[in-house]
Amino acid sequence: EAQVTQNPRYLITVTGKKLTVTCSQNMNHEYMSWYRQDPGLGLRQIYYSMNVEVTDKGDVPEGYKVSRKEKRNFPLILESPSPNQTSLYFCASSLFGTSKVEQYFGPGTRLTVT
Amino acid sequence: GENVEQHPSTLSVQEGDSAVIKCTYSDSASNYFPWYKQELGKRPQLIIDIRSNVGEKKDQRIAVTLNKTAKHFSLHITETQPEDSAVYFCAASKRANNDMRFGAGTRLTVKP
Repeated sequence: EAQVTQNPRYLITVTGKKLTVTCSQNMNHEYMSWYRQDPGLGLRQIYYSMNVEVTDKGDVPEGYKVSRKEKRNFPLILESPSPNQTSLYFCASSLFGTSKVEQYFGPGTRLTVT
Repeated sequence: GENVEQHPSTLSVQEGDSAVIKCTYSDSASNYFPWYKQELGKRPQLIIDIRSNVGEKKDQRIAVTLNKTAKHFSLHITETQPEDSAVYFCAASKRANNDMRFGAGTRLTVKP
């Protein structure tokens, strides 16, 4: 089954404790992206990647890191989480350079930083 | 950079009525405009999209229109049903994938 998976789905952590949210897709998509969703603000792009070893900042990259060592995985790293990073996070993937550009979203990760 | 504004933020209609959600964008180079539906507790899913070389696209009860000159596009849902209740997001992108900017969302409630 074609899908995007994220882990964990829920996470409560404390300020300053490094964490990683994993994202994996099995559709051989070149493009992957991370978004955060906050009430009234829609989906804001954090980082995106157009292929292996190619990453770029989105609108709200501060406090986040990503890596793209393999095509299928795109982990989101919070080196020192702060309460303002409490949010719902979505990973998404799609083909790139073709007419089929639908973004497939993962199930979401709800992060709470206390 | 691109800025996408979406209105209204909430919309309540009676079952069977039509619903219209409008978005404006700022960057005239944007050429791809998808609409996503997010049901409560679920992930966003693409419901329809339109490219800048097309003025209108329909898929059963949903349609999207694009006015490139005015830089706005709209989602139209006819004969609404309770299962259409969700948050709808518009987005605009200059290239097919990256640089995608989303609107703040519209919470649609269809009352039976």
